[in-house]
Amino acid sequence: AQSVSQHNHHVILSEAASLELGCNYSYGGTVNLFWYVQYPGQHLQLLLKYFSGDPLVKGIKGFEAEFIKSKFSFNLRKPSVQWSDTAEYFCAVGNTGGFKTIFGAGTRLFVKA
Amino acid sequence: DVKVTQSSRYLVKRTGEKVFLECVQDMDHENMFWYRQDPGLGLRLIYFSYDVKMKEKGDIPEGYSVSREKKERFSLILESASTNQTSMYLCASSPTRGYNSPLHFGNGTRLTVT
Repeated sequence: AQSVSQHNHHVILSEAASLELGCNYSYGGTVNLFWYVQYPGQHLQLLLKYFSGDPLVKGIKGFEAEFIKSKFSFNLRKPSVQWSDTAEYFCAVGNTGGFKTIFGAGTRLFVKA
Repeated sequence: DVKVTQSSRYLVKRTGEKVFLECVQDMDHENMFWYRQDPGLGLRLIYFSYDVKMKEKGDIPEGYSVSREKKERFSLILESASTNQTSMYLCASSPTRGYNSPLHFGNGTRLTVT
């Protein structure tokens, strides 16, 4: 069955710490990969996406993610987090040419000032 | 900027009531989606539509139906609301039929069924 697994449900970091959120997926065929973010009180918005090409993709606000096909992983990283990065982060996967996007359970990140 | 508007931010309904959740997008997107968001479960797809009057079941369609009479509007219907349908409901849209493009989300409707 198609699924997306996020390794951590809750992460607490101090400002300036480095961040890595794990995401693994189980999906047949060619995939499109996404990270979405939901800031407190706001709607879900796209952080970054991978469709093809360079497996290291850069998104907004200094985030990046690396697609490792052999590991079925798409981990999100940021070298130095800020208090304003406090949010819930969702990894999502869709099949190329399709409609369905499947989401992971989400990771709540809290950054201490 | 794409705007996806959900008609209600909060709703409280009684068990057995018929409930309508409305969603409108203003960017002429072809695809529209309804998800429900529950803590620890992420987002789960209820239904989607890739064209007017077309609908497809998602992963958890039981107890729900949808209607898309106009391109910009996609309605979610709970035929007989139950307490296990208490949740946050998210509407989303995306352009380009047949291509898995990023989703644009509304602010959500928090539905409580008592």
